[in-house]
Amino acid sequence: GEDVEQSLFLSVREGDSSVINCTYTDSSSTYLYWYKQEPGAGLQLLTYIFSNMDMKQDQRLTVLLNKKDKHLSLRIADTQTGDSAIYFCAEPPTGGGNKLTFGTGTQLKVEL
Amino acid sequence: ETGVTQSPTHLIKTRGQQVTLRCSSQSGHNTVSWYQQALGQGPQFIFQYYREEENGRGNFPPRFSGLQFPNYSSELNVNALELDDSALYLCASMGGGTSGSNEQFFGPGTRLTVL
Repeated sequence: GEDVEQSLFLSVREGDSSVINCTYTDSSSTYLYWYKQEPGAGLQLLTYIFSNMDMKQDQRLTVLLNKKDKHLSLRIADTQTGDSAIYFCAEPPTGGGNKLTFGTGTQLKVEL
Repeated sequence: ETGVTQSPTHLIKTRGQQVTLRCSSQSGHNTVSWYQQALGQGPQFIFQYYREEENGRGNFPPRFSGLQFPNYSSELNVNALELDDSALYLCASMGGGTSGSNEQFFGPGTRLTVL
């Protein structure tokens, strides 16, 4: 089955880069996702990466994928206070489909 | 805003009661998934509906049931509520079929508290 792990907490200063890490178990995952959840809100899809890619950049966001180590990271450049939230990585199930398995989430705190 | 709406936003029930949560999917989306997010945890998949049929279920007991209507809106019903059912319940809609990894659009959730 799928299992997704993340570190629980990250604190950075405004303007610095944030790197949020995730490990996953299903090597057959075709896509991997990053979601953002602000307090009291639902989930917002930030970005996703195809499994045949090593890197994807989207404005301030950079996703790196190491398939060999089953490691996914999200880098946020020039982190702002509005980036403070919980970030989840997620993978679809073995064999495909639309059910997502989420990690426990990494709480990002941005300090002035 | 994702275009996915859920009602109610908050709900308080007591143990043993039954609850119905509602979700309106984004226009044109025929697939709805429900997730349970306990405090401090990631969302856990409950089940998914595609064109009014259940299309996949997570590790939840039968007292969790659902419906999808012809307009693709959906309900989540929970019978015999337990204290551990207290959580944020999220629905997510997506369009275009049952395979692949199309983007899922999440609603704001319903916060259920069971006393």
